[in-house]
Amino acid sequence: GAVVSQHPSWVICKSGTSVKIECRSLDFQATTMFWYRQFPKQSLMLMATSNEGSKATYEQGVEKDKFLINHASLTLSTLTVTSAHPEDSSFYICSAREQLNTEAFFGQGTRLTVV
Amino acid sequence: QKEVEQNSGPLSVPEGAIASLNCTYSDRGSQSFFWYRQYSGKSPELIMFIYSNGDKEDGRFTAQLNKASQYVSLLIRDSQPSDSATYLCAVSGLSGGSYIPTFGRGTSLIVHP
Repeated sequence: GAVVSQHPSWVICKSGTSVKIECRSLDFQATTMFWYRQFPKQSLMLMATSNEGSKATYEQGVEKDKFLINHASLTLSTLTVTSAHPEDSSFYICSAREQLNTEAFFGQGTRLTVV
Repeated sequence: QKEVEQNSGPLSVPEGAIASLNCTYSDRGSQSFFWYRQYSGKSPELIMFIYSNGDKEDGRFTAQLNKASQYVSLLIRDSQPSDSATYLCAVSGLSGGSYIPTFGRGTSLIVHP
């Protein structure tokens, strides 16, 4: 399958700081990228859908000013968690797909711990 | 609101048996169906996708789709302990002009030696 690389794999940051997570499609052009959050033993929660060159579409209840998403190229999307707090600690995962309604591939995920 | 339902399990099967995982969905307009495997602490990994009614086989895995019954399943033959994981069903179709996959909550599979 196609390769989606997410970086970093884990990060620990102090409360109040910002953290940037990168998601890259290595062998295909991703017209759409998705960002998810997953708490322990819970299901995936879609945070936002990102299409290259346009603003991300956020799911209800997700603060767009706190979770900044940029999809500046067909191979790179970034998620910035601004002014992180301990309740933002979670497993953040991106996925990417090449065309509409085709399979999406997941990155390795980023485990964020805010202390 | 589109819904994808899966039995949370755990589904426990002996090594070498066939594991059958089921998924139902609410949106009749759904067009694409995916099965992902997620090991604890890891991100989901695509196992199979299916678009047409019927069966699709890939190695030990078979996906079955019945659009009339709004039902998709995954069979795992010759189950191995390494197959123990949570299996996520995802369904996608045109909604509001975009194809956003909807995930089920997953079924936990345990394959015991």
